[in-house]
Amino acid sequence: GDSVTQMEGPVTLSEEAFLTINCTYTATGYPSLFWYVQYPGEGLQLLLKATKADDKGSNKGFEATYRKETTSFHLEKGSVQVSDSAVYFCALRSGYSTLTFGKGTMLLVSP
Amino acid sequence: EPEVTQTPSHQVTQMGQEVILRCVPISNHLYFYWYRQILGQKVEFLVSFYNNEISEKSEIFDDQFSVERPDGSNFTLKIRSTKLEDSAMYFCASSQGDRSYEQYFGPGTRLTVT
Repeated sequence: GDSVTQMEGPVTLSEEAFLTINCTYTATGYPSLFWYVQYPGEGLQLLLKATKADDKGSNKGFEATYRKETTSFHLEKGSVQVSDSAVYFCALRSGYSTLTFGKGTMLLVSP
Repeated sequence: EPEVTQTPSHQVTQMGQEVILRCVPISNHLYFYWYRQILGQKVEFLVSFYNNEISEKSEIFDDQFSVERPDGSNFTLKIRSTKLEDSAMYFCASSQGDRSYEQYFGPGTRLTVT
C-alpha cells in the first residue's frame, strides 16, 4: 500500500538557517504530493503541492520538487523564521480522495 | 476566511464509554473526512462521507465507529465503546469536491481514554 516516510524531529535551527525536511514515498501509479503545516492550536494547512514528476511546489518561501526517480519530495527553505516553527507533514494522494500522511516533523526555530 | 471547527478540543473518557466528536465543515463543502493521529504515529485516514453516506473507509473504521451529518451543518464521529487504543488526535476535514480539491482541516480533538 501507499506510505510516506519523513525525517524524525524535532529539527532545531537558528533564524535564517537553511531548512531541509526529507520525505520519501511508496505509491502505486502517479500520486500527487503535498506538504501540510500545523501551527500550535490550529488545523493542518496545505503549504504546497505537486501533481506530477519534476513539478516544483512553492509557497511562503518553501519549495519542494517531485522527484519520481528517487520517490522523494523534500521540503526546503533558504532562510527560516521563528514564525515557521510548526509541525510539517508530507502526504500523498494516489487517485482516491484520501490522503496518506507521514508522521510529521516538528521544526523549532530560535531567534 | 472560512474554517473547519471541531469541538471539544480535548475529551477525556473512560474505557467502554461512548463519545461523539463534533465538526463543523466549511459551509459550501460537500465532502467530509475524519483522520486520526495516535501520539508519535502517522496521521491515518478513517472515513470519507459524501451525499449522506460513507464513500470510503479504512480498516480502522470498524463497527465501533459511525459518522453522521445530523443537521446539515455538523459532521460527527461516534465511537460506541471506547478502548484505550482509541486515544488519539482526531482531525476533521472537508473539501468542495473529490480528488483534486484541497482538503481543509480542523484543529483536532484530542481524545484520551482512561
